[in-house]
Amino acid sequence: QVQLVQSGAEVKKPGASVKVSCKTSGNTFISYDINWVRQATGQGLQWMGWMSGDNGHTGYAQKFQGRVTITRNTSISIVYMELNSLTSEDTAVYYCATSSMGFDNWGQGTLVTVSS
Amino acid sequence: SYEVTQPPSVSVSPGQTATITCSGDKLRDQYVCWYQQKPGQSPVLVIYQDTKRPSGIPERFSGSSSGNTATLTISGTQAMDEADYYCQAWDKSTVVFGGGTKVTVL
Repeated sequence: QVQLVQSGAEVKKPGASVKVSCKTSGNTFISYDINWVRQATGQGLQWMGWMSGDNGHTGYAQKFQGRVTITRNTSISIVYMELNSLTSEDTAVYYCATSSMGFDNWGQGTLVTVSS
Repeated sequence: SYEVTQPPSVSVSPGQTATITCSGDKLRDQYVCWYQQKPGQSPVLVIYQDTKRPSGIPERFSGSSSGNTATLTISGTQAMDEADYYCQAWDKSTVVFGGGTKVTVL
């Protein structure tokens, strides 16, 4: 079973950036693509982007283009999602998830609160 | 941008069948996945490639697809099935989620 463990909750001021990490277990790192999905309180799921496990190639949802960056550190099996220029509308739980036939395994979520 | 549409809510009596639809202009050419999400929990994949169940998902969950509509069916619905359900598809190199359907077991 693949396990994804995310970093803890964050509180940020408007205009700041946040970087959320997702640590993968075992040989998951190169076996699966990693996606980032967010969910505002009481709202639905919103896909932000993904990174290929094979080659580190990334793709982003148009809504977040230019504001989100997904990176990785292969030596410690961690994928990062950084979101810039935060506003109150970015307050949400952020999830990482592996994808093969679907989004098979999910992290526990990281609450990011943007407040002045 | 491409969208897929779900009904906001579905109510069902225990033991009865719940049906959730997901509609989109391109679904006839795309596989659909379905996720269950209970309050305070991460989503769980319950159906992939329109009709397939991951291991560990009860047989009462089934999926189908016809034309531009995909359907999640929960047969013999149990109280534990009360949750939000999301459909998801791929559009070129992006991912689209439906708005979610709240299933209430009355």
